[in-house]
Amino acid sequence: QVQLVESGGGVIPPGGSLRLSCTASGFPFIKYGMHWVRQAPGKGLEWVAFIRYDGSKEYYANSVKGRFTISRDKSKNTLYLHLSSLRPEDTAVYYCAKDKFDSLMRGDASDVWGQGTMVTVSS
Amino acid sequence: DIQMTQSPSSLSASVGDRVTITCRASQSINIYLNWYQQKPGKAPKLLIYSATNLQSGVPSRFSGSGSGTEFTLTISSLQPEDFATYYCQQSSSTLFTFGPGTTVDVK
Repeated sequence: QVQLVESGGGVIPPGGSLRLSCTASGFPFIKYGMHWVRQAPGKGLEWVAFIRYDGSKEYYANSVKGRFTISRDKSKNTLYLHLSSLRPEDTAVYYCAKDKFDSLMRGDASDVWGQGTMVTVSS
Repeated sequence: DIQMTQSPSSLSASVGDRVTITCRASQSINIYLNWYQQKPGKAPKLLIYSATNLQSGVPSRFSGSGSGTEFTLTISSLQPEDFATYYCQQSSSTLFTFGPGTTVDVK
C-alpha cells in the first residue's frame, strides 16, 4: 500500500542541526512532488517545504528559508529535510506528504501523509 | 504572501447537524483550495481538493464550494467520527499556506 515513514526526530539544543528522512513505498516516488509540513504542540499546521517530482526546484516557508533544506534521493525512494540553526520555535511534529498529482511542477494538495516525527529544540 | 483565515475558529454541534466552515484567502486563489481533517495525535487527511473535488474514499456528506477568495466546507449530516479539526490550504502559490483551523466538538 502507499506509505510514507518518517524518521530522524529527537531532542536537539538550540543552534544544532538534524536530518529527517521520509521513506516512500507503494507508488512511483520519482513521479510525485513531496512536501514537509510541521505542527507545533497544540498548534495548527504549517507548511515548511516542497520539492518538485524531478528535484529541479525547492520552495520554502519564510520561517525556515536559509536554515532548512529539502532534498530527495530517487535511488532510495527517500525524501529528506535538513534542519540547521534550530530554534525553540522549530519544535514540532514534522510530517512528510505526497503531492496528489503526478509530474506537477508547482505542487498541489497532499493526499498521503506519514505518521510524523517529533523534533524538540531545547537545551 | 497569501494569508488564509477560517471561521469560526471552533463550533459545537450535534450528530445529524449540518455544519459549514468558511475559509477566506487574502487574494484570489482561483480554485486552488484544499480541505483536510485532523484528529488528535493523527496525521491530516485530505477531504476536498481544488475547492470542490471529493477525495477518493471520503464520504459524500462532505462537500466543498467557492472560488476566488471565499470557500466553504459543508458536512451535510454530522457523524460521530467527524468531530475533529478542519484546515483549509491554498495551493495557488508555492507557499502552501494553511488556515488556522476550525475545531468541531460535541455540543
